[in-house]
Amino acid sequence: EIVLTQSPGTLALSPGERATLSCRASQSVSSSYLAWYQQKPGQAPRLLIYGASSRATGIPDRFSGSGSGTDFTLTISRLEPEDFAVYYCQQYGTSPWTFGQGTKVEIK
Amino acid sequence: QVQLVQSGAEVKKPGASVKVSCKTSGYTFTSYYMHWVRQAPRQGLEWMGIINPSDGSTSYAQKFQGRVTMTRDTSTSTVYMELSSLRSEDTAIYYCARVRVYDSVVDYWGQGTLLTVSS
Repeated sequence: EIVLTQSPGTLALSPGERATLSCRASQSVSSSYLAWYQQKPGQAPRLLIYGASSRATGIPDRFSGSGSGTDFTLTISRLEPEDFAVYYCQQYGTSPWTFGQGTKVEIK
Repeated sequence: QVQLVQSGAEVKKPGASVKVSCKTSGYTFTSYYMHWVRQAPRQGLEWMGIINPSDGSTSYAQKFQGRVTMTRDTSTSTVYMELSSLRSEDTAIYYCARVRVYDSVVDYWGQGTLLTVSS
């Protein structure tokens, strides 16, 4: 199975700062079938990015995704208070579908 | 609007089975697959398997083979996930999540069902 490794585990930043989250795959992700989700405490995950770089419906343009092959990045250009959460990457190109272990973005 | 409404929290003893439901509305039930994903306390997300509501075909993660069964009822637009031989490590929140057939993206999630396995 494809193992996804996210880094850093925790990112401590202030509102207005830029956040850069990394997701590295143990083998190439088929057709850039890589998604990013946001999860807040007590809530289900929410789709942010799919196909490595396409924003889901209703997602603000401060969220952007990039990458291909084995290296992917989620960037939040300017953190808003509601962006402090845990972020997961997921590959859905090869069964079994797998998730990264998550990156927590917390307020500095 | 699309809704995935899951059944309520469950408490089970080790060795028992649990069946979690996910009732859908707001879209054509047979046009989207459904994943089941779980999340242990303070842990990440773990894919369990997928069902095609159109024909009932399934694919399970190897870890759960032999213990999980996913079914559907097209008359009520509901999918089910049954997990047997429960152990304490199965304590988690279980989510159903809708999959777009044309690009395999998970776009909607249920609210989650907390399963506690304890003697």
